[in-house]
Amino acid sequence: DTAVSQTPKYLVTQMGNDKSIKCEQNLGHDTMYWYKQDSKKFLKIMFSYNNKELIINETVPNRFSPKSPDKAHLNLHINSLELGDSAVYFCASSQSGARGKGETQYFGPGTRLLVL
Amino acid sequence: DAKTTQPPSMDCAEGRAANLPCNHSTISGNEYVYWYRQIHSQGPQYIIHGLKNNETNEMASLIITEDRKSSTLILPHATLRDTAVYYCIVTGGSQGNLIFGKGTKLSVKP
Repeated sequence: DTAVSQTPKYLVTQMGNDKSIKCEQNLGHDTMYWYKQDSKKFLKIMFSYNNKELIINETVPNRFSPKSPDKAHLNLHINSLELGDSAVYFCASSQSGARGKGETQYFGPGTRLLVL
Repeated sequence: DAKTTQPPSMDCAEGRAANLPCNHSTISGNEYVYWYRQIHSQGPQYIIHGLKNNETNEMASLIITEDRKSSTLILPHATLRDTAVYYCIVTGGSQGNLIFGKGTKLSVKP
């Protein structure tokens, strides 16, 4: 079984549309993350949730809204898609997201978003 | 910004050891050194981490200098499947997120 899974794997859409990316982890972890990898291959944190509560919200446009229905799921909804949103989006999870302590994160396979 | 400095690229012959250096001169006493890799188009994969002592697992060894200002990831017998971008990350601060730098692109050649 895949530990961290994302759907869809590929997403091609028109500018202005609204889309969602789903993430699920079956590791029993308390914390989940969304990262964005742009065309230059830089990986940057967007959000993290701990037990369904937002704990990190980096400078991302408010068109991006994470939603966590339960601690095993963290979905990313994007409104009014723009060309610059084209990227690979990775979901990750860790056991507790404990502050002040290093912790291993497990990543999903990524969702490749292309906005036309 | 990432708190680490790595060479942008390295080559290694198949079957030989790959030694990937990382400088983290501003590391704090409670911060860990983590290594991840990203094989083309896949999600980052955890390799190993350490605080002060050298560490070894089934994938690699991590050597951390005594002053903790630098470290080396060692892949003892590199294979073609080890070709990837390797990220050295210092973490363990106020939040649990990882700050990725540009990493080292390791090319293992036959």
